[in-house]
Amino acid sequence: DAMVIQNPRYQVTQFGKPVTLSCSQTLNHNVMYWYQQKSSQAPKLLFHYYDKDFNNEADTPDNFQSRRPNTSFCFLDIRSPGLGDAAMYLCATSDQGLHGYTFGSGTRLTVV
Amino acid sequence: SQQGEEDPQALSIQEGENATMNCSYKTSINNLQWYRQNSGRGLVHLILIRSNEREKHSGRLRVTLDTSKKSSSLLITASRAADTASYFCATDPNQAGTALIFGKGTTLSVSS
Repeated sequence: DAMVIQNPRYQVTQFGKPVTLSCSQTLNHNVMYWYQQKSSQAPKLLFHYYDKDFNNEADTPDNFQSRRPNTSFCFLDIRSPGLGDAAMYLCATSDQGLHGYTFGSGTRLTVV
Repeated sequence: SQQGEEDPQALSIQEGENATMNCSYKTSINNLQWYRQNSGRGLVHLILIRSNEREKHSGRLRVTLDTSKKSSSLLITASRAADTASYFCATDPNQAGTALIFGKGTTLSVSS
C-alpha cells in the first residue's frame, strides 16, 4: 500500500544532543510537510517542501532544519533539542489535489 | 498562525447518538478539511469541502461550510465506540505556497 512512513515511532534524546527524524513516502507526492504537535494542541507547521523548494515558517526556530534529498525522503534535524521540543512530529505529503494530506504515524520525541 | 478553532473542545456521547463539531476560521480559504486522530497516531483525512460548496456527505459524515460566517460543522451520525478520537478542522488558505492550518481539535468520546 502507498504510504508515509516515519521512523522511529519513539525517539528519546538527551538535552542538547542532535537528533534526526526521518520520513519516507511511496506516493510520489511532490509536497512534503513537517508538523509539530504538542500534547492537546493543534499540529503546527514547521516547514514544507514543494519539490525541492524549501518553505520555512517564520516562527520555526533556527534549531530546526530539514533536508529533502529526493522525492521519497525528508528529514527533520533538531540541532540542540531542548525540553520544550518534546512533542509528536508529524510528516505529511500532498499532491496538491483535492485528496487532503496523507500523514505518517508520527515520531514522539522525548528529551531527557 | 492558528486559523481554525473547534467547538466544543470535548464531547462525550453514547453509541448511536449523533456528534456535531464546529469550526470557525479567520481568513479566506480554498477549501476546508476535517481529519481524525486516534491517540498517539497520525492524522487521517476524512473529508474536504471546497469554498464553493455548502454541504458534503461521506458515509456517516456530513460537513457543512458557511463562508459568509467563516464556519464549518462536522456531523457524525449513529456514532460508534470506534469513532472515539480527536477531530481537527484544517483550512487551506487562499494563498499560493501555503499549507494547511489546523485548529485545536475536538476530543470525542463515544461510550458503549
